[in-house]
Amino acid sequence: RKEVEQDPGPFNVPEGATVAFNCTYSNSASQSFFWYRQDCRKEPKLLMSVYSSGNEDGRFTAQLNRASQYISLLIRDSKLSDSATYLCVVSPQAGTALIFGKGTTLSVSS
Amino acid sequence: EAGVAQSPRYKIIEKRQSVAFWCNPISGHATLYWYQQILGQGPKLLIQFQNNGVVDDSQLPKDRFSAERLKGVDSTLKIQPAKLEDSAVYLCASSSGPTGKLFFGSGTQLSVL
Repeated sequence: RKEVEQDPGPFNVPEGATVAFNCTYSNSASQSFFWYRQDCRKEPKLLMSVYSSGNEDGRFTAQLNRASQYISLLIRDSKLSDSATYLCVVSPQAGTALIFGKGTTLSVSS
Repeated sequence: EAGVAQSPRYKIIEKRQSVAFWCNPISGHATLYWYQQILGQGPKLLIQFQNNGVVDDSQLPKDRFSAERLKGVDSTLKIQPAKLEDSAVYLCASSSGPTGKLFFGSGTQLSVL
């Protein structure tokens, strides 16, 4: 089983749609969780951290379910500029390197 | 604030040749990472430095890959000899602490022919 698994994608949605990405992780002792965004031929950039209580940043909502070892990202009112690959990222413990999922590609069309 | 600097941006070599990549992290960032990203995959850690010491190199193919960060600032990653399967983007990242926020450089795209 891979350490971080994501929906295979790609997701092709029209502008204004709501889209959800899911991710599972194998190490139940994992400490921290994140979503990174990677534009085509660019480097990954932190989108948001994920907390057990859930957190929201504008149109983006991230959720963590530790019992199910499941992370989600919800994007509401999709924009063309949201087109990118979304990487689910897990930190096994403080001070260790981040483990990245394979990524899910989102394409938003007009 | 200057970001993570990497060079070269692109490199094309033939198999069995050697290649080196350079990275200068954000000033003051103690932790430096090298990741390998194969097309269609997520970044995979090769090595993590804390200052000039190695924290994790468990996934570094040590028979052909080496990395150093001698003065705890910039770092070099070397491949010798290169194989076809080493074709990938090599990303350097740095962080100021265990916050999960990594700052990545633009990467070096390596093609091994």
